[in-house]
Amino acid sequence: QVQLVQSGADMKKPGSSVKVSCKATGGHFDTYSIHWVRQAPGQGLEWMARIIPVIDAADYAQKILGRVTLTADKSTSTAYMELRSLTYDDTAIYYCARGKNFDFWGRGTLVTVSS
Amino acid sequence: QSVLTQPASVSGSVGQSITISCIGTSSDVGTYNLVSWFQQHPGTAPKLIIFEGSERPSGVSPRFSGSKSGNTASLTISNLQADDDGDYYCSSYAGSSTWVFGGGTKLTVL
Repeated sequence: QVQLVQSGADMKKPGSSVKVSCKATGGHFDTYSIHWVRQAPGQGLEWMARIIPVIDAADYAQKILGRVTLTADKSTSTAYMELRSLTYDDTAIYYCARGKNFDFWGRGTLVTVSS
Repeated sequence: QSVLTQPASVSGSVGQSITISCIGTSSDVGTYNLVSWFQQHPGTAPKLIIFEGSERPSGVSPRFSGSKSGNTASLTISNLQADDDGDYYCSSYAGSSTWVFGGGTKLTVL
């Protein structure tokens, strides 16, 4: 059974950075892309970015281009999302999801930006 | 990228059918057959219920069905059950290796 296990909740100050991890188990990490989707409190889903681990290629939503970097460690089947220059508007649950159909999701990582 | 347009809320009684629309453009829904639908209950991650417009993942009830016409995708839930209560989101590939989500629809089962 495929599982995406995400890192725990984090609290950051404005202007700082956060790095969230997403470890894939039970599937072939290299075969699929990993998407990152966030959900602000009481709001809808927002697509952020996607990485294809096998070729280390990433694509980003225009809105956050320049502030986010995706990486992947094929040896540990883990994807990472780093978001920089955090503002209060970045407070959200960050999800990773597998493949072009988003068929499996992690449980989410709550990132709170607070002074 | 623009957000796909969904109704904010829909409601239906147990046993009835409802349809949720997802209006996109010729740059996303209208061009690509990569529309997915997700169900989300409070405090949980979204769950895929329809992919590639009308395909159901293994284990998803056949009461859920998807379709597309032009720039509009639709999710129909037949024989509504109490457990269908929750939020529903559509998504579509939008070209240039980007994706877009709808604003979400809150389904209330009466």
